[in-house]
Amino acid sequence: DTGVSQNPRHKITKRGQNVTFRCDPISEHNRLYWYRQTLGQGPEFLTYFQNEAQLEKSRLLSDRFSAERPKGSFSTLEIQRTEQGDSAMYLCASSGTGGNQPQHFGDGTRLSIL
Amino acid sequence: QKEVEQDPGPLSVPEGAIVSLNCTYSNSAFQYFMWYRQYSRKGPELLMYTYSSGNKEDGRFTAQVDKSSKYISLFIRDSQPSDSATYLCAMSDFYNQGGKLIFGQGTELSVKP
Repeated sequence: DTGVSQNPRHKITKRGQNVTFRCDPISEHNRLYWYRQTLGQGPEFLTYFQNEAQLEKSRLLSDRFSAERPKGSFSTLEIQRTEQGDSAMYLCASSGTGGNQPQHFGDGTRLSIL
Repeated sequence: QKEVEQDPGPLSVPEGAIVSLNCTYSNSAFQYFMWYRQYSRKGPELLMYTYSSGNKEDGRFTAQVDKSSKYISLFIRDSQPSDSATYLCAMSDFYNQGGKLIFGQGTELSVKP
């Protein structure tokens, strides 16, 4: 069990640029979640996938955000035309299926907008 | 008002003390309750996972859920400096909202040697 892996760990970019983050879940987990965490706050739900299907998106996920999970394996989260307010830690979690299984988190990608 | 309320602290205790961390919530539909520990610049690490009301013990950690009061607690016995971290409560209404977790703000704990 190698755990949830996220890359890059830290991304610094200029306002207006596009960024993409990658998440590799625990291999046997079918469900994959994205959360956003700002300093001093708990994580906030963004979206989740069961296999390759995106089942729910939060209102926080504006049209500048898009997430994919091709073939139900790794997932990517892209932010277009980044804004200062996008600066946060982006966390990925995965869980098994069969009822409500506990979610295991990666160490996140920290996004800094200059 | 947030769905889940958690005192952000910071909370400072001497080594060996018993620590009590708490969350209150407003959504009576929540069925699953979790506690995560998060070290600086790391992701949340699952500590305890419970369903409905009751107690669950794992080593030095005890989780309690009181659904009638909409109140959950995490107790840490014989606290150690290595327990210094932010503790996050989380809960879900799995049957109506899928697996998405609603988190508290987190409580920052410092255990002094």
